[in-house]
Amino acid sequence: DVKVTQSSRYLVKRTGEKVFLECVQDMDHENMFWYRQDPGLGLRLIYFSYDVKMKEKGDIPEGYSVSREKKERFSLILESASTNQTSMYLCASNGVTLNYGYTFGSGTRLTVV
Amino acid sequence: TQLLEQSPQFLSIQEGENLTVYCNSSSVFSSLQWYRQEPGEGPVLLVTVVTGGEVKKLKRLTFQFGDARKDSSLHITAAQPGDTGLYLCAGADAGGTSYGKLTFGQGTILTVHP
Repeated sequence: DVKVTQSSRYLVKRTGEKVFLECVQDMDHENMFWYRQDPGLGLRLIYFSYDVKMKEKGDIPEGYSVSREKKERFSLILESASTNQTSMYLCASNGVTLNYGYTFGSGTRLTVV
Repeated sequence: TQLLEQSPQFLSIQEGENLTVYCNSSSVFSSLQWYRQEPGEGPVLLVTVVTGGEVKKLKRLTFQFGDARKDSSLHITAAQPGDTGLYLCAGADAGGTSYGKLTFGQGTILTVHP
C-alpha cells in the first residue's frame, strides 16, 4: 500500500525551539509539498519541491525552511518556533500527472507553547 | 495567488437529505479535485474533473466542473452518517509550470445526523 509517512502525529515544542518535521514517501514521486491546515483557512502551501535539492516558496513561507536531500524525503524546519505556528501540518506528494491527485500523510499536530 | 471560495463552511443535516457544496473562483483552472478528510487523517482524493462542463458520479456523489473551468460543485444525494467529514476542493493552475501545485478552498464541514 503506497503511502506518505509523517514522523510524528503530535508534537509539543517551546517558543524559540528549532523544530524538524519529517515526511517520507514510497511512490517515487517527483513533487512533494508542505501545507498547514487551520480551521476556516483550508490548506495553505508553505513550500514545495519538484526535485531533489530543488525547492520553491509557497504562499506562506515566512518562518519556515525545507530540505530535500533524497527524493523520498522532504523535511520542514521551523527555525525558531512561535505560538502562531501552532497548527496541523500536512505533507503530500504527487507524480508526473496531477490527475491522480495528492497522496497525503496523516498530519502532524504541532503545539508551540 | 489564485483563490477558491468554498461554501457553505458548515452543513448539518439529517440522514436522507440532499446537499450541495460549491467551489468558486475568478481564476481558470486546468483541473479541479475534491478531497474528503476524516479527523486525524490526511485528505483523500474523491475525484478529478478536467473538462469544462464535465460531470462525474461516484455512487451518491455527483461532481460538476463549470463550463468556464472556474467553479465546481459537489452534490450528495440521500446523505448518510458515513458521509460526515471535511470536504475540500482544490484547483490546479491553468498556466505555466506549476509542478502540480494545488490551491485549496477553505473546506466544508459536513455532519450527517442519524
